[in-house]
Amino acid sequence: GAGVSQSPRYKVAKRGQDVALRCDPISGHVSLFWYQQALGQGPEFLTYFQNEAQLDKSGLPSDRFFAERPEGSVSTLKIQRTQQEDSAVYLCASSLGTGAEKLFFGSGTQLSVL
Amino acid sequence: SQQGEEDPQALSIQEGENATMNCSYKTSINNLQWYRQNSGRGLVHLILIRSNEREKHSGRLRVTLDTSKKSSSLLITASRAADTASYFCATDANGTASKLTFGTGTRLQVTL
Repeated sequence: GAGVSQSPRYKVAKRGQDVALRCDPISGHVSLFWYQQALGQGPEFLTYFQNEAQLDKSGLPSDRFFAERPEGSVSTLKIQRTQQEDSAVYLCASSLGTGAEKLFFGSGTQLSVL
Repeated sequence: SQQGEEDPQALSIQEGENATMNCSYKTSINNLQWYRQNSGRGLVHLILIRSNEREKHSGRLRVTLDTSKKSSSLLITASRAADTASYFCATDANGTASKLTFGTGTRLQVTL
């Protein structure tokens, strides 16, 4: 596709539910990143993939958060047993090379946990 | 945690005026990037400046970097209503190539 695609655009979950957020990066992009953005704040790093390898997951807030990119393309961010503090916009980004230079972002998934 | 802080937090100017936003950061870096975010959308990369560069231009954008002061500025000349957005600086804190650390952002409003 022409850009990074994320789905769903909006997700409402009841507290305790599991959610899965999908990211389709730009074809051929080696690096894929997940960020969390709270209202009125800058994005905060969650995790980084180089092809299918998850090289940095230092930003994942708890073991309820899990990300995968099994074939080095599409990625899924899964949040188990959602809590209200998980409410945020989850942004996916990809870049052509192996570093975090010139990231291309998707429009994000806005997660609301009630 | 946020690596940088943008200043001002909000800026309102008229079309045709110049807009200057500043960014301060805390650790050593290899490069600094500026991104724009329109409301409800993802971020768009604007410009990257490396630690050995002091100034860079791209169209109506001018970026400066002062590594001794750990600060950068973004100047948008001859602003347009379409420039209305939030602007973020981002650094590879401590030279970690795998992630960017974003600032808190400047919300720019350009009025007709």
